[in-house]
Amino acid sequence: EADIYQTPRYLVIGTGKKITLECSQTMGHDKMYWYQQDPGMELHLIHYSYGVNSTEKGDLSSESTVSRIRTEHFPLTLESARPSHTSQYLCASSSTGTTEETQYFGPGTRLLVL
Amino acid sequence: KNQVEQSPQSLIILEGKNCTLQCNYTVSPFSNLRWYKQDTGRGPVSLTIMTFSENTKSNGRYTATLDADTKQSSLHITASQLSDSASYICVVSDRGSTLGRLYFGRGTQLTVWP
Repeated sequence: EADIYQTPRYLVIGTGKKITLECSQTMGHDKMYWYQQDPGMELHLIHYSYGVNSTEKGDLSSESTVSRIRTEHFPLTLESARPSHTSQYLCASSSTGTTEETQYFGPGTRLLVL
Repeated sequence: KNQVEQSPQSLIILEGKNCTLQCNYTVSPFSNLRWYKQDTGRGPVSLTIMTFSENTKSNGRYTATLDADTKQSSLHITASQLSDSASYICVVSDRGSTLGRLYFGRGTQLTVWP
């Protein structure tokens, strides 16, 4: 099993609250990703990072922001949560320099905004 | 538009039976194709990966095939077990380099009944 962790696993929060979803990995991977996944739908890339101090927006527009101050840590922040943010958020990491570059996923955070 | 289409959307089989899941893609250029298994409430876990030159890859009871000419892949599960109940996601990469992106299918939800 991959050494990538997400907290919290479940979060129920009211509209307008600020939240931070944590993601950390102990594999020394330089690339990290955040995906959003609704039930029965495909994963959508919302943020990624090539390494420390690198952050890029993904394919799906998101009101969230990310930071990469340390290699192992890639938190995602929502300044003001809304019901439309209700979804599952998956963090992943991969190592460059390999031809396969398999992404390893965390267990996910299920977010419910009331 | 690059797409990954999976069928069937859902499947129910009895324990011990075999099944085959399908994946058709239009991603171009093509680098590799992965099958992931996603248990309920968990992140996806890689099962197999195939490049253009590979037409079959096995991982225990899972066997993936790839026809790069017709842009089709299948995942065959032999002697199914209750623990095979999960969503199986087909993921296609358009490049093997750092700049490559992933295209996700919506998955096939497999349920194995005793």
